[in-house]
Amino acid sequence: KQEVTQIPAALSVPEGENLVLNCSFTDSAIYNLQWFRQDPGKGLTSLLLIQSSQREQTSGRLNASLDKSSGRSTLYIAASQPGDSATYLCAVSFQGGKLIFGQGTELSVKP
Amino acid sequence: GAVVSQHPSWVICKSGTSVKIECRSLDFQATTMFWYRQFPKQSLMLMATSNEGSKATYEQGVEKDKFLINHASLTLSTLTVTSAHPEDSSFYICSARDAETQYFGPGTRLLVL
Repeated sequence: KQEVTQIPAALSVPEGENLVLNCSFTDSAIYNLQWFRQDPGKGLTSLLLIQSSQREQTSGRLNASLDKSSGRSTLYIAASQPGDSATYLCAVSFQGGKLIFGQGTELSVKP
Repeated sequence: GAVVSQHPSWVICKSGTSVKIECRSLDFQATTMFWYRQFPKQSLMLMATSNEGSKATYEQGVEKDKFLINHASLTLSTLTVTSAHPEDSSFYICSARDAETQYFGPGTRLLVL
């Protein structure tokens, strides 16, 4: 059974810090991996999608890496801002589109 | 990007009633749609995969007779929670697949009294 684990479960940092969120998955036969952001009571916002053949993707202050062989991905957020406060979800997908989500990391960036 | 809508955005109902949630892909056709459920402070759990014109595939532990899924067209899938009970109160999110990308709806919050 595919499992996705995110560490830490919660993180609080002062504004301006660089931070890393971790995601691990048990089955390396993934199709792709996505990082999402979810604000309280809201739906999902896709941040970055990494295909299984790729090693990383970048968008603005966000950089996501993928090491498929070791079953790990990291989301790096540079120069964090209070507006980055949200829950960050990692999800892996398989052929057919089925997504398995991690439990999320709840991030709080203090001004 | 592609847009997926859900209706209603929130619903409150009495225990024992049935509730229908619609998921629409607004500017693309989706042969496959997915339904997820999210309890407070928990992650999204896949409930079922909905394929246009065929029966949905349910994940282990999800009662197919309680959560009826219909995918009658390439732009619409519906989830009906039959005889809802307070433990069914949750945030239900759908997604629609366009080629290799999934687009998520904004979610429907269900509260069963």
